[in-house]
Amino acid sequence: GQQVMQIPQYQHVQEGEDFTTYCNSSTTLSNIQWYKQRPGGHPVFLIQLVKSGEVKKQKRLTFQFGEAKKNSSLHITATQTTDVGTYFCAGPSGGTSYGKLTFGQGTILTVHP
Amino acid sequence: DAGITQSPRHKVTETGTPVTLRCHQTENHRYMYWYRQDPGHGLRLIHYSYGVKDTDKGEVSDGYSVSRSKTEDFLLTLESATSSQTSVYFCAISRTGAANEQFFGPGTRLTVL
Repeated sequence: GQQVMQIPQYQHVQEGEDFTTYCNSSTTLSNIQWYKQRPGGHPVFLIQLVKSGEVKKQKRLTFQFGEAKKNSSLHITATQTTDVGTYFCAGPSGGTSYGKLTFGQGTILTVHP
Repeated sequence: DAGITQSPRHKVTETGTPVTLRCHQTENHRYMYWYRQDPGHGLRLIHYSYGVKDTDKGEVSDGYSVSRSKTEDFLLTLESATSSQTSVYFCAISRTGAANEQFFGPGTRLTVL
């Protein structure tokens, strides 16, 4: 079945450093989504990318969707302590969808002040 | 917020006992999902529903059953809980069923001793 792999699993940074997490799918995706989960919280939708090569920015966060629509990245510039949490990518599951998503394993970001 | 509540929020139970987790939504969305979250595995789909009495299995459905007798409620049952089912369980809804963003409930932390 479809697999979505995410690296790294953990990332520790000093406040002010940049951070990047990468997502790779075993199949071509119609879209890719990114979610953030704060410690002790629930996943919250950040953004959806649809077009090949698409780049979207949200303040210090930059999201990219690969040309082949099989990979994506999330880059945070100048991390802050508020960026702490787990970042997940997710893509539509194959077959009859019913809105199903396959999530990556997530990248846990720790920011040291 | 998408008006999703989960109950109980925390539960400790013993191996072999039945457990039912409830997900309640206030917005009458058709598509609902149950996930489990474990370290290193991200969010894995257990079961999903695409309407009242319409449910199907996800990627990790063994040992779990679901029911949806009303649009607003989606129940997850562990018929005979095992220690491997110790996890955090999240319910989610989709507003469109088109594999777009999902909205998550606050989660239930289940410990099976």
